[in-house]
Amino acid sequence: AQKITQTQPGMFVQEKEAVTLDCTYDTSDPSYGLFWYKQPSSGEMIFLIYQGSYDQQNATEGRYSLNFQKARKSANLVISASQLGDSAMYFCAMREGDNNNDMRFGAGTRLTVKP
Amino acid sequence: DTEVTQTPKHLVMGMTNKKSLKCEQHMGHRAMYWYKQKAKKPPELMFVYSYEKLSINESVPSRFSPECPNSSLLNLHLHALQPEDSALYLCASSQHLWRGTGANVLTFGAGSRLTVL
Repeated sequence: AQKITQTQPGMFVQEKEAVTLDCTYDTSDPSYGLFWYKQPSSGEMIFLIYQGSYDQQNATEGRYSLNFQKARKSANLVISASQLGDSAMYFCAMREGDNNNDMRFGAGTRLTVKP
Repeated sequence: DTEVTQTPKHLVMGMTNKKSLKCEQHMGHRAMYWYKQKAKKPPELMFVYSYEKLSINESVPSRFSPECPNSSLLNLHLHALQPEDSALYLCASSQHLWRGTGANVLTFGAGSRLTVL
């Protein structure tokens, strides 16, 4: 069963505007962690932001923020003030349970920032 | 610069060749991972090592053989591969295995792009 769902295969955003990348997840475990990674064409997976299931506040890291809606099981990534260098593939990922070391990734969203 | 170094960046091999992919990290991480990523797909877990011991093997064919000689190094030995094994192979490390809380972020290398002819 698909654990992580990213419904937007591709997104476009104008430079300097904000964009939201959607992610929903499915787990029955109360303990889990949600991650967003960026993958430029070079191939490296770059960690952006993390949200724990027990965290009370939404995570923020510079221009990145995570809109965590636990009841809806969604963990959308918001990128503010988009830059041309933000053009890349973005993956939402989850680790669940106390001893599960398999980080499951969603299908990804390709973001293109237009000048 | 990435803190996880993978070599080679590109590898082309025939189906009868034996080659190895190497991964090195000096962050003191005790968990290391191999992921396989096909074009336009998300990464898929292959192997996990914790304290140099194999923790997870995700039913990977025996033509892929991992090795963790010490806490800083992770190798993936390749033998008798098939063309469908062509992919980007990503190495990652984390401070320790997932314990249910805390970020324990995976730091990835830039990958080794493998082509099997």
